[in-house]
Amino acid sequence: DVKVTQSSRYLVKRTGEKVFLECVQDMDHENMFWYRQDPGLGLRLIYFSYDVKMKEKGDIPEGYSVSREKKERFSLILESASTNQTSMYLCASSTSGSYNEQFFGPGTRLTVL
Amino acid sequence: GENVEQHPSTLSVQEGDSAVIKCTYSDSASNYFPWYKQELGKGPQLIIDIRSNVGEKKDQRIAVTLNKTAKHFSLHITETQPEDSAVYFCAAIHDKIIFGKGTRLHILP
Repeated sequence: DVKVTQSSRYLVKRTGEKVFLECVQDMDHENMFWYRQDPGLGLRLIYFSYDVKMKEKGDIPEGYSVSREKKERFSLILESASTNQTSMYLCASSTSGSYNEQFFGPGTRLTVL
Repeated sequence: GENVEQHPSTLSVQEGDSAVIKCTYSDSASNYFPWYKQELGKGPQLIIDIRSNVGEKKDQRIAVTLNKTAKHFSLHITETQPEDSAVYFCAAIHDKIIFGKGTRLHILP
C-alpha cells in the first residue's frame, strides 16, 4: 500500500520564521510534488521534482524553495513565513511520466500568525 | 495559460439520486483526465481516469465521459450514498497536470 506521510498535520508559526515541511514516500516513486490548497482556488502546484537533487517551479513558487536530497524525501521550505502563506499544504508522489496516478499525503495545515 | 473550469462548486443531491460534475479544459493537447476524491481530513485519492482515445469509462457506480471536440469531460455518480460526500477534483494533463477548483458534494439523507 502506497504511503505518503507528512511531518505535521497542524503547524502554527510566526511571521518571519523559517518553516520546513517534510514529506516522505515509501514506494520508490521518482516524482514528488508540493501543492497548496485554498478554498475556491483548488490545488495549486508550488514545486515538483523528477529526481534526486532536481527541482522544477510550479505555478506559484514565489516565497518557497524545496530540497530533495534523497529519493523518498521532499521538503518544502518557507524562508520567511508570511500570513498569506497560511494554507493547507499537500505533498504527492507518482512513478515517472506525466500520466500516472498521484498519491497524496494527508496534508499539513499551516497557520502563520 | 492552460485552465480547467469545474462546475458546480457545490452540489447537493438526495441519497439514491445521481450527481454530475462537469469540467472544461483549454489545452487541446491534453490527453489524460483523472478524477480525485478528497474526504474530510485526507488527501485527494484517484477514483477514475480516462484517456483521450476513449469516450466513456465506467467503474461500478461512477463513470466518466469525454468529449474531445468540445473539450469537456464529466463525472457521473449513480445511486449516491452518504460516503460519496466529499470534494471532487477533475484534472487535465498534457505535459503537466492542471486541476479544477473542486466540487463539494453533499449527499442528503
